[in-house]
Amino acid sequence: EDQVTQSPEALRLQEGESSSLNCSYTVSGLRGLFWYRQDPGKGPEFLFTLYSAGEEKEKERLKATLTKKESFLHITAPKPEDSATYLCAVRNDYKLSFGAGTTVTVRA
Amino acid sequence: EAQVTQNPRYLITVTGKKLTVTCSQNMNHEYMSWYRQDPGLGLRQIYYSMNVEVTDKGDVPEGYKVSRKEKRNFPLILESPSPNQTSLYFCASSLYSGSGYTFGSGTRLTVV
Repeated sequence: EDQVTQSPEALRLQEGESSSLNCSYTVSGLRGLFWYRQDPGKGPEFLFTLYSAGEEKEKERLKATLTKKESFLHITAPKPEDSATYLCAVRNDYKLSFGAGTTVTVRA
Repeated sequence: EAQVTQNPRYLITVTGKKLTVTCSQNMNHEYMSWYRQDPGLGLRQIYYSMNVEVTDKGDVPEGYKVSRKEKRNFPLILESPSPNQTSLYFCASSLYSGSGYTFGSGTRLTVV
């Protein structure tokens, strides 16, 4: 069974304080690893797709990396608007399996 | 605008009263799926569909039905809702098996 574990559960940062979120996974037949951002009461918003170990993607203050067993989402110099829950998910053919998420709070 | 549209956004109903949550996508996506999200349990897949008339169970299918008669629509049916189906529901679609899902805005269902 596919498993996705995210850590930490919650992260409180000062504005400008860089940090990293971890996503470790086990999956049969990885079709992709995905990062989403979710704001309270809203649907997950797609951020990145990573397909193979060594791959990296960047968007503004966010950078995602992938190894064979885990992925990291690095937040550089975060701002209050980066506060959200960040979800990691792995896909095999039809199913997207999600981790529980990391809730990031950035204080001004 | 490319999107997944769910209706209604909010629904309060009584135990046993059949209901349907509609989902439509305008991106010509092959894959569609329903998820429910509960505190502490995260997002769990209910059903998915690979194409018209092709559907299969996800992790938590009990108490739900789906159909895919047209490519763009994927309604979720609760024949006899129970309080344990109170949850936040998301419909999602993707172009192919290696692509990420695009999610709808969600339907908050309360069964009393």
